[in-house]
Amino acid sequence: DAGVIQSPRHEVTEMGQEVTLRCKPISGHNSLFWYRQTMMRGLELLIYFNNNVPIDDSGMPEDRFSAKMPNASFSTLKIQPSEPRDSAVYFCASRTGSTDTQYFGPGTRLTVL
Amino acid sequence: GDSVTQMEGPVTLSEEAFLTINCTYTATGYPSLFWYVQYPGEGLQLLLKATKADDKGSNKGFEATYRKETTSFHLEKGSVQVSDSAVYFCALSEVQDFNKFYFGSGTKLNVKP
Repeated sequence: DAGVIQSPRHEVTEMGQEVTLRCKPISGHNSLFWYRQTMMRGLELLIYFNNNVPIDDSGMPEDRFSAKMPNASFSTLKIQPSEPRDSAVYFCASRTGSTDTQYFGPGTRLTVL
Repeated sequence: GDSVTQMEGPVTLSEEAFLTINCTYTATGYPSLFWYVQYPGEGLQLLLKATKADDKGSNKGFEATYRKETTSFHLEKGSVQVSDSAVYFCALSEVQDFNKFYFGSGTKLNVKP
């Protein structure tokens, strides 16, 4: 089975540009999580979805960040406008409803110049 | 609230040395406990887990025992290899809500030949 798929793997953009990160969860998984990893703050949960519905977005840093899950096999995390302090590795993770184990994608390394 | 504390790194060992990475937790009730490993440039991978007191999780020569009395879940390996060099994260999930996942800050392990 394919694992969690994220694209792009690397993104370099300039301050003020819109950035869209994409995630395809493992088939059959009904919960999806977006995390951000930085040296200073470690792993932070940004938002999670259950059955495509956003449940808790309290970790989203500000209104520049938004996330959607239009169907069970696709989610996006958008930053508009991007700022240098958004530079980080963004991970997507998914799990089924019957287990507490989360499975992580390879991450997207975002650099905002 | 729930939290996880793990020893700061980096930990540097010679090949075939014994490894211990300490992890303690604070939680209401009896959470599930996890160790995840992150190899350079990759996402987090589940290494092992334990769901109740005195359970021992094991995988790839790594072990950790769920100790309720000391609220600990220390990671051990009898003989490390260069290929074990990675960052190790201790984590817990709340028993009442699988979506509540708490990660430690990570411990970097460097194994020298």
